[in-house]
Amino acid sequence: AQSVTQLDSQVPVFEEAPVELRCNYSSSVSVYLFWYVQYPNQGLQLLLKYLSGSTLVKGINGFEAEFNKSQTSFHLRKPSVHISDTAEYFCAVSDSTGIRTALIFGKGTTLSVSS
Amino acid sequence: DTEVTQTPKHLVMGMTNKKSLKCEQHMGHRAMYWYKQKAKKPPELMFVYSYEKLSINESVPSRFSPECPNSSLLNLHLHALQPEDSALYLCASSQDSTAGRSGNTIYFGEGSWLTVV
Repeated sequence: AQSVTQLDSQVPVFEEAPVELRCNYSSSVSVYLFWYVQYPNQGLQLLLKYLSGSTLVKGINGFEAEFNKSQTSFHLRKPSVHISDTAEYFCAVSDSTGIRTALIFGKGTTLSVSS
Repeated sequence: DTEVTQTPKHLVMGMTNKKSLKCEQHMGHRAMYWYKQKAKKPPELMFVYSYEKLSINESVPSRFSPECPNSSLLNLHLHALQPEDSALYLCASSQDSTAGRSGNTIYFGEGSWLTVV
């Protein structure tokens, strides 16, 4: 069975500071990994995804994530955050064995950016 | 263009009402999903349709009834709901319901906010 653990439930940070949102996964098979963002009162938007190949993945809005197989991690980073990055961030995994795609989500990390 | 459209955006219904949530995508995706999300929680999978057939039902109560009239449309019929069913209902779609070579990204709509009174 697969699972996702987001290590921080809340991350407060000042504007223009760097941020890292941590995500660890557990799986006995190869996986695909995703980060989604949910702005207040909105649906989920895909930030970036790791399918294969380069372990450093670049996404939208200046975010990037690094897949680390030995650490079973997929941490999300941004070098300089904006107030508008305040949102809920979900790490998710899907089964790459071809059985089903449905995502397994972590519990989410609330990023709060203040001036 | 990755877009999943959901209507209505907000719905208030009584416990004896019958209502429906609607979802549409024109990306040629053959898998469509319903997720339920409570406040401050991650989305929880309810149903998966693959090629217009129900492939996964995550033990959802029968007061929720999904329907997939064609490959672009997905409905969620609601009847005799309880106040605890109040939540954000998210529709999503992907190329198909197996991960496959593409990674099969799931794209979400903006959601329908449901309040049961």
